[in-house]
Amino acid sequence: NAGVTQTPKFQVLKTGQSMTLQCAQDMNHEYMSWYRQDPGMGLRLIHYSVGAGITDQGEVPNGYNVSRSTTEDFPLRLLSAAPSQTSVYFCASRGYRVLTIYFGEGSWLTVV
Amino acid sequence: AQTVTQSQPEMSVQEAETVTLSCTYDTSENNYYLFWYKQPPSRQMILVIRQEAYKQQNATENRFSVNFQKAAKSFSLKISDSQLGDTAMYFCAFQTQGGSEKLVFGKGTKLTVNP
Repeated sequence: NAGVTQTPKFQVLKTGQSMTLQCAQDMNHEYMSWYRQDPGMGLRLIHYSVGAGITDQGEVPNGYNVSRSTTEDFPLRLLSAAPSQTSVYFCASRGYRVLTIYFGEGSWLTVV
Repeated sequence: AQTVTQSQPEMSVQEAETVTLSCTYDTSENNYYLFWYKQPPSRQMILVIRQEAYKQQNATENRFSVNFQKAAKSFSLKISDSQLGDTAMYFCAFQTQGGSEKLVFGKGTKLTVNP
């Protein structure tokens, strides 16, 4: 019953550092996506993928990079961390023709 | 672009009573989906209920029900027999039909259930 697994759960970065948030799902879902949640805000879409090898930008893509080499994994890369990227990050997935979106437990990122 | 508005930043209700959370949205699409998500202090996103826009019947899941008014672009959530475990942030979300993965969220309503 793993579902959507995100690692790490907590991370502190210095400005300018790079890092990768990992996301894996074991449900063979075609669709995967990354959201960020800032205080007082709902979730906002960063990037998404409709299948292996296919990615697209969401609402707030700047400063992030993604790739989808396998169905299971969808890592989010912060290229040069900035304090504005301090947020809680959620990975999500769903299957084709299935409405229910499954979320990971979130990754808390602080950039100092 | 679609927008979702939750006009009640915070609400409180006594245990066992009924509370209604409001949500309005703006879209030019005719086919779409609407969701209510619950986010407890653990920050886990939990799907509460969903509504397909083409369905006239309001969705119901146990103590949770919606009042979907398509013409008014309104999608409120009613929680009956409120329980302490219902204390959480509640987010209304919109998704267009047809392959887009973009969920558009409102800013949320913080619900507190008092004993």
